[in-house]
Amino acid sequence: EVQLVESGGGLVQPGGSLRLSCAASGFTFSSYDMHWVRQATGKGLEWVSAIGTAGDTYYPGSVRGRFTISRENAKNSLYLQMNSLRAGDTAVYYCARRVRGGYYMDVWGKGTTVTVPS
Amino acid sequence: NFMLTQPHSVSESPGKTVTISCTGSSGSIASNYVQWYQQRPGSAPTTVIYEDNQRPSGVPDRFSGSIDSSSNSASLTISGLKTEDEADYYCQSFDSNNWVFGGGTKLTVL
Repeated sequence: EVQLVESGGGLVQPGGSLRLSCAASGFTFSSYDMHWVRQATGKGLEWVSAIGTAGDTYYPGSVRGRFTISRENAKNSLYLQMNSLRAGDTAVYYCARRVRGGYYMDVWGKGTTVTVPS
Repeated sequence: NFMLTQPHSVSESPGKTVTISCTGSSGSIASNYVQWYQQRPGSAPTTVIYEDNQRPSGVPDRFSGSIDSSSNSASLTISGLKTEDEADYYCQSFDSNNWVFGGGTKLTVL
């Protein structure tokens, strides 16, 4: 079964750091681009970062310079290092797989919650 | 920055047809594929339409997608509405290495 399981969420003070992990199973992890997408409570989806199979990385302006996406193919794992956290970063963070050759995400994890109090 | 705008909410009765729009802020929405995701409360999103008008396996043909270049918008149409279709729907596209989601539309089937 194809599966993504996020972990590492929690409560962190403003200015603090947190590292999220995503464990992949049921597919050849190294062959897929991967993403992080977040959703604040009652709000919409927001793309946070992406990493290609070659390790190329992409970020929106809202997190560039504060967040770092990485992958460890030998462990079938995706990571998101989040620094200088703000109240606005409070959200459920989803790990998602990009479909090969396409421009959408076809597998999502259940998410992990990050809370940064104001 | 490229943005996608959706209506905040729509509602319709069971058995009817509803259309949700997604309007691009600039350029041509037809330049990059548009996808649609369904998200039920407490669950992760799932794809209902990809590449403008393609349905993943398992998605009923009551769901369809289209592009209207004249209005720079994409649309998701759901026919024969069922109560189980009640959910949030998000459009998504891609622009210059940025992945963009619309703000989401809450569909109420009443």
